[in-house]
Amino acid sequence: DTGVSQDPRHKITKRGQNVTFRCDPISEHNRLYWYRQTLGQGPEFLTYFQNEAQLEKSRLLSDRFSAERPKGSFSTLEIQRTEQGDSAMYLCASSGTVTTEAFFGQGTRLTVV
Amino acid sequence: AQKITQTQPGMFVQEKEAVTLDCTYDTSDQSYGLFWYKQPSSGEMIFLIYQGSYDEQNATEGRYSLNFQKARKSANLVISASQLGDSAMYFCAMREGMDSSYKLIFGSGTRLLVRP
Repeated sequence: DTGVSQDPRHKITKRGQNVTFRCDPISEHNRLYWYRQTLGQGPEFLTYFQNEAQLEKSRLLSDRFSAERPKGSFSTLEIQRTEQGDSAMYLCASSGTVTTEAFFGQGTRLTVV
Repeated sequence: AQKITQTQPGMFVQEKEAVTLDCTYDTSDQSYGLFWYKQPSSGEMIFLIYQGSYDEQNATEGRYSLNFQKARKSANLVISASQLGDSAMYFCAMREGMDSSYKLIFGSGTRLLVRP
């Protein structure tokens, strides 16, 4: 499969625990994005990488959130000390320099109990 | 501030009929792009169609067409010959600037149900 891949698909964690999600973009894409989607809403932008550089972060990305993209390939999104309000779908997308649209993965659904 | 408004939380359409999903946007940029994505229950956002602000022709992709009215700042999606598999959430989104980060601003979505 050559699409955007996210792992895990589902994660249930206890409040206060740390979680990490992984995204593997389409191989030739140099741009990678993280979005968060809560129930009944559209996705909200979290952060953007061009190659390994994190070029933009939303105010939604509190200091408990950190994203990395070592070597400009896969990316990880870590949430420390999870809160119930972090429960959401976390979507990853990638795009190339010449492509118009971003391609999304199937998301990681996080439930904090 | 950039904003996308989708005023129809839910829509019904009879199979094989056409349906229009509304989208209005607000931006001060002259250069921007408008997108429609489909999100089935599996969660993946599936790209459907794109319209650039400088494109004079309305975009079409198979059964999807985008009714772009720049002066009204609207970008409605038209689905012709609806199929049962079209039942899903539909999101309108905007990207400002053609050389920007490709960050998308999404609307709140419209849930489409296709009746047999």
